[in-house]
Amino acid sequence: DTAVSQTPKYLVTQMGNDKSIKCEQNLGHDTMYWYKQDSKKFLKIMFSYNNKELIINETVPNRFSPKSPDKAHLNLHINSLELGDSAVYFCASSLLQGNTEAFFGQGTRLTVV
Amino acid sequence: DQQVKQNSPSLSVQEGRISILNCDYTNSMFDYFLWYKKYPAEGPTFLISISSIKDKNEDGRFTVFLNKSAKHLSLHIVPSQPGDSAVYFCAASAGQAGTALIFGKGTTLSVSS
Repeated sequence: DTAVSQTPKYLVTQMGNDKSIKCEQNLGHDTMYWYKQDSKKFLKIMFSYNNKELIINETVPNRFSPKSPDKAHLNLHINSLELGDSAVYFCASSLLQGNTEAFFGQGTRLTVV
Repeated sequence: DQQVKQNSPSLSVQEGRISILNCDYTNSMFDYFLWYKKYPAEGPTFLISISSIKDKNEDGRFTVFLNKSAKHLSLHIVPSQPGDSAVYFCAASAGQAGTALIFGKGTTLSVSS
């Protein structure tokens, strides 16, 4: 039974489109994250939610909007997709904020053409 | 500005030998450190962690050493196995609420039989 699952695994779309990536965790964790791994392989934090509240919002274009309908779900919606948005997006969750390990989903490879 | 640095992009080791992966950090507020392992097309998987109050933590074949004065940590894998071939990410956390893991760029370990 997958602990952190995200869909879809692959997403190919045209510039200008709007797309969403869904994430669900069944670990009972309070905190969820979105990370982006770009072409240089850096894993960078984008957003963090704790109990459906936005905690971290790094410098991310406002075309990216996270939505947390409940603490087990954190979806990522991207408007007006650009070529530079092509990357692998990882959802993660942790029991606590701060000093604890995060559990990652399998990633969504987004390709904007 | 990279707060967590893994200066070796790759490492090749023979099966049975020791693998040593290194990581440096610049933020003196970091007090919790983790290593993740990542296979292609999968999410990072937590491997081992260490708190700043310790200088060593061991889990089976994996040992993490922390040198706070040098702001340096290392992961030792003994003995190395072909299944250990993966990308290894070092990560750090500043511990307080509202923070997320900060990752290094990763080191690709290849273990040959």
